[in-house]
Amino acid sequence: AQSVTQPDIHITVSEGASLELRCNYSYGATPYLFWYVQSPGQGLQLLLKYFSGDTLVQGIKGFEAEFKRSQSSFNLRKPSVHWSDAAEYFCAVGPNTGGFKTIFGAGTRLFVKA
Amino acid sequence: GAGVSQSPSNKVTEKGKDVELRCDPISGHTALYWYRQSLGQGLEFLIYFQGNSAPDKSGLPSDRFSAERTGGSVSTLTIQRTQQEDSAVYLCASSRTGTGVEKLFFGSGTQLSVL
Repeated sequence: AQSVTQPDIHITVSEGASLELRCNYSYGATPYLFWYVQSPGQGLQLLLKYFSGDTLVQGIKGFEAEFKRSQSSFNLRKPSVHWSDAAEYFCAVGPNTGGFKTIFGAGTRLFVKA
Repeated sequence: GAGVSQSPSNKVTEKGKDVELRCDPISGHTALYWYRQSLGQGLEFLIYFQGNSAPDKSGLPSDRFSAERTGGSVSTLTIQRTQQEDSAVYLCASSRTGTGVEKLFFGSGTQLSVL
């Protein structure tokens, strides 16, 4: 069965600093991978997704993520964080062969300090 | 509708009572999911409906939890004999085909508080 691990419960970065949120997955084949963001008082919104092809994917709001098969990782990055990026970030994995449920990690809460 | 709609937005109930949570997915979406979000637990998968197929109930935590989806559209999640540990935000999501490749559209959730 697939699973997702987000090792960091919360991270604090300074505004303007770079950001990397970690995500590791467990799945028997190449999965479909997603990052979602949940801003305070708002619903979950898709940031980006990976299905195949180029392992570096670009998303909304200046985010990108890199799929590394050898490390079973799909880390989310942003070169310069803005105060409005403070939110909770969820990595998710969906199977590419039947059994369609999407499984989410526990989330990483991002705090941005001025 | 324009988005996934959930009702009620907040529900306070007494331990031992039954509750029903409703989800209206985006019109035309064949896949519907229920997740539970507790503090520090992330999004816990509960149940998944895809078209007319038998639902995937593998995430339901106990037999007190059940869900239906009528006419391939509206879904109701029922929790019987609620317990305090059931307190959480219950999120519904839908996707167009549920093939795993598409993004999920989430509702705003129902905050359930069991006293």
